[in-house]
Amino acid sequence: EDKVVQSPLSLVVHEGDTVTLNCSYEVTNFRSLLWYKQEKKAPTFLFMLTSSGIEKKSGRLSSILDKKELSSILNITATQTGDSAIYLCAGAGNNRKLIWGLGTSLAVNP
Amino acid sequence: GAVVSQHPSRVICKSGTSVKIECRSLDFQATTMFWYRQFPKQSLMLMATSNEGSKATYEQGVEKDKFLINHASLTLSTLTVTSAHPEDSSFYICSAVRDIHISYEQYFGPGTRLTVT
Repeated sequence: EDKVVQSPLSLVVHEGDTVTLNCSYEVTNFRSLLWYKQEKKAPTFLFMLTSSGIEKKSGRLSSILDKKELSSILNITATQTGDSAIYLCAGAGNNRKLIWGLGTSLAVNP
Repeated sequence: GAVVSQHPSRVICKSGTSVKIECRSLDFQATTMFWYRQFPKQSLMLMATSNEGSKATYEQGVEKDKFLINHASLTLSTLTVTSAHPEDSSFYICSAVRDIHISYEQYFGPGTRLTVT
């Protein structure tokens, strides 16, 4: 059965800290891994990773995929209180559906 | 670009009534839309996949007669919760994909909070 596992489930840090969120996947005919940020409402798209070893970067956020290890990490540097959210990871196979992890709840304290 | 809207954002209805939720892609055409349900502190649960002009594909355990999905155009999909009961109270989210054959990137609507009393 396909599954995506995220760790840690929750994390509390101070502003300015750097965090690394982990995502491991078992997805049949894996095509892509996606990261989303969910605050109070629906998820907003962060990254889609298809190729192993190529880092994607957006401001203080970056992510990379390791197909050999079936995993991905999401890094956030110099965290701010506005980064507090649930970060969701999802794997996509070729059946078009996303397999979602439970998310990592990140709290950034001032 | 890639904005998805949902209406209503919040609805309260009485047990036994039906509720329709609309999902629209505002600035792109969506060949595929997905409907999710999310309970507090839980991840997204896919309910069904909606393709324009064809019948929706429901996930195992989701009653198609209770959750009616209509994807009438490339910019609109609707979810109707029929004969709603309190256990249907949840956060319903739709997402849209531009072209599923090109990218799996899903753009989410803001969600609809349904409360059945």
